Amino acid sequence: ELKVEQNPLFLSMQEGKNYTIYCNYSTTSDRLYWYRQDPGKSLESLFVLLSNGAVKQEGRLMASLDTKARLSTLHITAAVHDLSATYFCAVRTTSGTYKYIFGTGTRLKVLA
Amino acid sequence: GAGVSQSPSNKVTEKGKDVELRCDPISGHTALYWYRQSLGQGLEFLIYFQGNSAPDKSGLPSDRFSAERTGGSVSTLTIQRTQQEDSAVYLCASAPALGLYGYTFGSGTRLTVV
Repeated sequence: ELKVEQNPLFLSMQEGKNYTIYCNYSTTSDRLYWYRQDPGKSLESLFVLLSNGAVKQEGRLMASLDTKARLSTLHITAAVHDLSATYFCAVRTTSGTYKYIFGTGTRLKVLA
Repeated sequence: GAGVSQSPSNKVTEKGKDVELRCDPISGHTALYWYRQSLGQGLEFLIYFQGNSAPDKSGLPSDRFSAERTGGSVSTLTIQRTQQEDSAVYLCASAPALGLYGYTFGSGTRLTVV
């Protein structure tokens, strides 16, 4: 059974600092998504990572995937307050039906 | 429609009543998911529909929960004899068959069982 863990669960950081959120998963997978959720809102797709070594960047966020290590990272560069949100990774199962299992989420708060 | 539409947006029901939650996916999207998000928690997979294939119901927490998808489009999640622990936001998402570009979530239905 695929299990997805994120760490840290909570992150409070100062504006201008860099930090990385980690997403570990327990069984082989070939596809991983990152989502953002603002309080009281639904989820917004950030990145789709489709292969080992994939790297995607959008603004101050960069995501990467290492399928051999079963690890994805979401790196935040020079954080700004607007990045405050909860970030989820979702990993696709490769046996049975191809459904997505979500991580526990990382609640990020960027302090001005 | 332009996005995934869910209704109602909020539902308050008495314990023991049945509720129906509706999801109208993006036209042409063959994949449809239901997830549940409890307050401050992550997303719990409930059920997955893909085209005409048998749905993956492995995430449904009890036999009080059921879902159907009619004509490959609209889906209804039904919760019978609701309990207080069913209180959560129920999210629906849809995607094209391969989901190569992520999938689109609806705004959710906030269910409160009193």
